[in-house]
Amino acid sequence: QSVLTQPPSVSGAPGQRVTISCTGSSSNIGAGYDVHWYQHLPGTAPKLLIYGNTNRPSGVPDRFSGSKSGTSASLAITGLQAEDEADYYCQSYDNSLSAWVFGGGTKLTVL
Amino acid sequence: EVQLVESGGGLVQPGRSLRLSCAASGFTFDDYAMHWVRQVPGKGLEWVSSISWNSGRKGYADSVKGRCTISRDNAKNSLYLQMSGLRPEDTALYYCAKDRAAAGENNWFDPWGQGTLVTVSS
Repeated sequence: QSVLTQPPSVSGAPGQRVTISCTGSSSNIGAGYDVHWYQHLPGTAPKLLIYGNTNRPSGVPDRFSGSKSGTSASLAITGLQAEDEADYYCQSYDNSLSAWVFGGGTKLTVL
Repeated sequence: EVQLVESGGGLVQPGRSLRLSCAASGFTFDDYAMHWVRQVPGKGLEWVSSISWNSGRKGYADSVKGRCTISRDNAKNSLYLQMSGLRPEDTALYYCAKDRAAAGENNWFDPWGQGTLVTVSS
């Protein structure tokens, strides 16, 4: 059971918009810690997608956006493309565990 | 180009020890904290351990506390994870990752290495 809760899977057709939620608690997201998102394709290194809740590293398309409110955060992907099919993870810090924590991951399928 | 290359994984019997290494290049290694993160086959990512820039602060997940020791050699631009008392549930792909800062909690990991596979089995 992950400290941060994500849906196991989401799907969408090319061109559509999907969102992935990440729900935490008062000891992590709700405590004010930022949420970061990673894209992970099997056999490759996880890639930073969003940092500090809403910021995109250089090279990440603006089709990817992040938001945070209260004890939750979301990743939105617009204009879905086949290459977006991957696993997505949220990450934050938990001060009751004194540990960095990840969501369980969400598998995005592009139909 | 920032690069992280893990090594040291392999097949090991339960109860034995293993030392993982991560060779860093392309950045000033001793300016950043570093982390180990693992992924059990078919499962999600799990943070394992972290070390601040000067080794002054170390952290461990409860699942490995007391069995793992993280260390770094800034002169060699290298990160290590000494694992002992290995269990079958430690079987995973172990990644090293660079922190965005020298220390602190509110940080992210970027970039990550390709990982080294540890298999614990008799």
